Amino acid sequence: DAGVTQSPTHLIKTRGQQVTLRCSPKSGHDTVSWYQQALGQGPQFIFQYYEEEERQRGNFPDRFSGHQFPNYSSELNVNALLLGDSALYLCASSFPAGSTDTQYFGPGTRLTVL
Amino acid sequence: QQQVKQSPQSLIVQKGGISIINCAYENTAFDYFPWYQQFPGKGPALLIAIRPDVSEKKEGRFTISFNKSAKQFSLHIMDSQPGDSATYFCAASETRWGQNFVFGPGTRLSVLP
Repeated sequence: DAGVTQSPTHLIKTRGQQVTLRCSPKSGHDTVSWYQQALGQGPQFIFQYYEEEERQRGNFPDRFSGHQFPNYSSELNVNALLLGDSALYLCASSFPAGSTDTQYFGPGTRLTVL
Repeated sequence: QQQVKQSPQSLIVQKGGISIINCAYENTAFDYFPWYQQFPGKGPALLIAIRPDVSEKKEGRFTISFNKSAKQFSLHIMDSQPGDSATYFCAASETRWGQNFVFGPGTRLSVLP
C-alpha cells in the first residue's frame, strides 16, 4: 500500500516565478491538507481539500492556491514567489474527514527560492 | 489561542535513559493530540496520539501523559535508543474542523550511544 507521495522532491525557482507541487494521497484517503515547514520550525497549515473544494484555510495569502482532482490527488500553486516561500512543503492525507483517523504525511517537496 | 508551545528546544539523553518532551496549549476546543517524529529529509511520521478523555496512553516505549486541567501534555520515551534521534513535534486539533493540525516548534532529540 503506497503511502502519501509528492513530486517533485526538490525544486529551485527565482523570485516572482510560479510553482506547482503535486500530491497523491494514501490509498483510501479522500482529504488532503498542505503544510509549509520552514527550516527548524514546525509545519504550518496552509489549506485542506475535501470533495474537490477548499474546506479550511490557514493564515496564508491568496498567492497560495490549490486544487483537488476527482481521484483525490491535489496540487499546491504558489504565485509571485518570495524568498520567504523557501521551505519544505508537506502534503498530508486522511479519511474520513473529521474521524479519529489521523493525518499521514508525505516526504515533502523542498522549494528553494533564489 | 491557536499556539502550541513545546519544550525543550533540544534534548540530549544517554542510551537507555528517559526522554521527556512537554507541550502546552490554550485552545480548550482542541480534542486530539498527536506526536510526530521527523528524520532529516523526511516527512513527519505519527508516533502516538491521545484524546482528552484519558490521562495516559502507552505504546511500546512511547507514553503520552495528558493533563486536561493544566492544558499540558508530554511525551515520554523510555529506554531511549540512538535510533530515536530525530525531531519530535507535538500537535493539536479540533476534530470537528477535520483535523487541521497546529504544531509545536519541535524538539531535537539526540540519544548518545
